[in-house]
Amino acid sequence: DAGVIQSPRHEVTEMGQEVTLRCKPISGHDYLFWYRQTMMRGLELLIYFNNNVPIDDSGMPEDRFSAKMPNASFSTLKIQPSEPRDSAVYFCASSFRGKDYGYTFGSGTRLTVV
Amino acid sequence: GENVEQHPSTLSVQEGDSAVIKCTYSDSASNYFPWYKQELGKGPQLIIDIRSNVGEKKDQRIAVTLNKTAKHFSLHITETQPEDSAVYFCAATFSGSARQLTFGSGTQLTVLP
Repeated sequence: DAGVIQSPRHEVTEMGQEVTLRCKPISGHDYLFWYRQTMMRGLELLIYFNNNVPIDDSGMPEDRFSAKMPNASFSTLKIQPSEPRDSAVYFCASSFRGKDYGYTFGSGTRLTVV
Repeated sequence: GENVEQHPSTLSVQEGDSAVIKCTYSDSASNYFPWYKQELGKGPQLIIDIRSNVGEKKDQRIAVTLNKTAKHFSLHITETQPEDSAVYFCAATFSGSARQLTFGSGTQLTVLP
């Protein structure tokens, strides 16, 4: 298995631009999580899905952030408009219900908003 | 909600020595405690986990202990090697959702050759 695949690995964008981060979870996993990692706040859960349905989006910082999961093999996290304080590493993770609750993380997208 | 505190934030040990990282949690209903290792430029990787019905679990040089009464759990790495250098995160389930993990703030472990 190729693991959780995220793209792009790095993204540099100007303030005000729209940014879309992509994630392909492990086939068969029914939970998908979006995390943000910064030095100041550590790993923060933004939103998670179960069977493609958003379950908890209370971690989404504001309306500029949105996430979708149109099918079991793809999810996006969109920021519109982007701001410098959105600069962070964004991780996608997936998990299989009924196993040991372990998450498999992708390699992350390092976002820099200038 | 759940709160997980992790100590120390940085830890340096000599190669071959042992390293211990400790975490405390607030939600007495928590029942799953994984540990993740994050190498530079990579995502966190699950290295070991423990459930609340077990007091200790070992996997080669890595062990985790759990004290439910005191609500703390620890990661023990013996015979440390340079490749053990990484950031380690503890985590605990949040009783409000069986699938939501709360992470500690991380420990930067450096193994000195």
